[in-house]
Amino acid sequence: GAVVSQHPSWVICKSGTSVKIECRSLDFQATTMFWYRQFPKQSLMLMATSNEGSKATYEQGVEKDKFLINHASLTLSTLTVTSAHPEDSSFYICSAERGATINEKLFFGSGTQLSVL
Amino acid sequence: DAKTTQPNSMESNEEEPVHLPCNHSTISGTDYIHWYRQLPSQGPEYVIHGLTSNVNNRMASLAIAEDRKSSTLILHRATLRDAAVYYCILRDISTDKLIFGTGTRLQVFP
Repeated sequence: GAVVSQHPSWVICKSGTSVKIECRSLDFQATTMFWYRQFPKQSLMLMATSNEGSKATYEQGVEKDKFLINHASLTLSTLTVTSAHPEDSSFYICSAERGATINEKLFFGSGTQLSVL
Repeated sequence: DAKTTQPNSMESNEEEPVHLPCNHSTISGTDYIHWYRQLPSQGPEYVIHGLTSNVNNRMASLAIAEDRKSSTLILHRATLRDAAVYYCILRDISTDKLIFGTGTRLQVFP
């Protein structure tokens, strides 16, 4: 079946540094990828929609300069948390949609646990 | 985005059927009903989705009410590996977004 690989699975960084998270669709092309954030015991919160070759669309309240998204190819989207602070510590999850068919199921990565000291 | 309402938690015994309800009274004609589940410390996993008709796959069945204001995910024989948070989501065909609600935490006892 279709696989979405997310890397790294966990990262610990110092406050003020930037962290890049990669999301790859391994056996299909993903024109659209989504980035979510999840705090402990809470549901997933959609942060942004990433479209290949164009600027990402951010949800209300999500700082685009803080969370930089790049979707440079049909198999790779990256999320960079810039100048990370402890409040950015969270579980970040990406998902990818295969093909151009509307309402296909989404395939999710295994998530990245970010801890900012 | 249309909202869904699910019970916070449910319990089941192993090998028994489980019916997970979801209310979505504000559903629009173009909203698909999706179900995903999430195990601890993992990304969500697709379970099933449908529009109007009931759907079956190897994982589960989805029963959709005639007025589409509610649906039920049916796990025919629960196993310990089915213990997870189950999310019922309305996916808007116009935006393509998947907006998660609070979900139902399913516990399965041996």
